[in-house]
Amino acid sequence: AQKITQTQPGMFVQEKEAVTLDCTYDTSDQSYGLFWYKQPSSGEMIFLIYQGSYDEQNATEGRYSLNFQKARKSANLVISASQLGDSAMYFCAMRSGTYKYIFGTGTRLKVLA
Amino acid sequence: GAVVSQHPSWVICKSGTSVKIECRSLDFQATTMFWYRQFPKQSLMLMATSNEGSKATYEQGVEKDKFLINHASLTLSTLTVTSAHPEDSSFYICSARSGEGGRPSRNEQFFGPGTRLTVL
Repeated sequence: AQKITQTQPGMFVQEKEAVTLDCTYDTSDQSYGLFWYKQPSSGEMIFLIYQGSYDEQNATEGRYSLNFQKARKSANLVISASQLGDSAMYFCAMRSGTYKYIFGTGTRLKVLA
Repeated sequence: GAVVSQHPSWVICKSGTSVKIECRSLDFQATTMFWYRQFPKQSLMLMATSNEGSKATYEQGVEKDKFLINHASLTLSTLTVTSAHPEDSSFYICSARSGEGGRPSRNEQFFGPGTRLTVL
């Protein structure tokens, strides 16, 4: 069965520090994609970063990087130099096989001034 | 990235009435659209997948007669919550998929801003 697990319901980080949000996944497919989204209080889903299962390099998008460890089936999001505006809900998602996305339960990040 | 809109952004209705939510892909043709429901402090749960011109595929446990989905064109899908009750109050999000490629990719699915439904 396909599954996404986010074990951190909430995280705190000091402004300008880096933070890692955990995500593990389970799938039997060889081809899959992993996504991270940010959801602020407004509710919109903001795409942050994508990692394909065949990508050899870890994905990076500005201050966001994805620590992809395929053998461990983990795809942790690293946010560097945290900003107050990073406070939001963060969801890890996976697409494999069908076109449907499976979402984790999310991690609420609070950046402290 | 591509833009997906939803209308209305929020709606309040009385119990027993029906509410229609529109999802539009503004600058691309969406072969498939997805409808999600999100309760407060919870994750997104996929309700159904709709393909243009065909019947929607509903996830297990979602009542197809209550949540009517119409994907009439490649740029518009509608979700109608029929005879809404307070327990249907939720945040409804659509997403639209472009392209026909099979392998996952970065730019394949785009989310609308969501519609907050409150049923009194």
